[in-house]
Amino acid sequence: AAGVIQSPRHLIKEKRETATLKCYPIPRHDTVYWYQQGPGQDPQFLISFYEKMQSDKGSIPDRFSAQQFSDYHSELNMSSLELGDSALYFCASSLAGLAHVGYTFGSGTRLTVV
Amino acid sequence: TQLLEQSPQFLSIQEGENLTVYCNSSSVFSSLQWYRQEPGEGPVLLVTVVTGGEVKKLKRLTFQFGDARKDSSLHITAAQPGDTGLYLCAGPVSDAGNMLTFGGGTRLMVKP
Repeated sequence: AAGVIQSPRHLIKEKRETATLKCYPIPRHDTVYWYQQGPGQDPQFLISFYEKMQSDKGSIPDRFSAQQFSDYHSELNMSSLELGDSALYFCASSLAGLAHVGYTFGSGTRLTVV
Repeated sequence: TQLLEQSPQFLSIQEGENLTVYCNSSSVFSSLQWYRQEPGEGPVLLVTVVTGGEVKKLKRLTFQFGDARKDSSLHITAAQPGDTGLYLCAGPVSDAGNMLTFGGGTRLMVKP
């Protein structure tokens, strides 16, 4: 069965650079979520989209933006990268109204800012 | 402040031992989910509990949802090295939204 696909798997950027992370949800899933997980921490919610519109917003810095496209894939754009942005970034998807049943997570993108 | 508190944070046991991980909140949740995460990978959903008092079993794993739907537990019988990982409980922040909040996680290591 198709899972949530994230790319790239690993990314190394320098401070003040920009990065774009991509997420392809499970086919027919209309809701996408982005989470950030620092070393030894639990995932922290950043932002979510339903039917290409932002639905919930968490602790996403102003330097970050995201969108969901007509094919339901989503991109997280990160600018003016800081050392503290180094983390695992996960995307998850679900069907709207069924998120309480559980998400399917991608394998994540490990971002390292040097 | 975490909506969901997990305990213990770390657990190191020998193969064959039993263990219980707890997930507690002062808030009522419509459902709670348990995920297992391996290093460098995304969390994988193990189970969702919905009804107060519900008990679900997944091989050697037993999940329970408290009667008041404020807490949940995960019990592993005869732990194996393959059970090693980060166990996360999660629940919807509100009935209206889709956002999940996670507990702080329990990092389990099972030594052979």
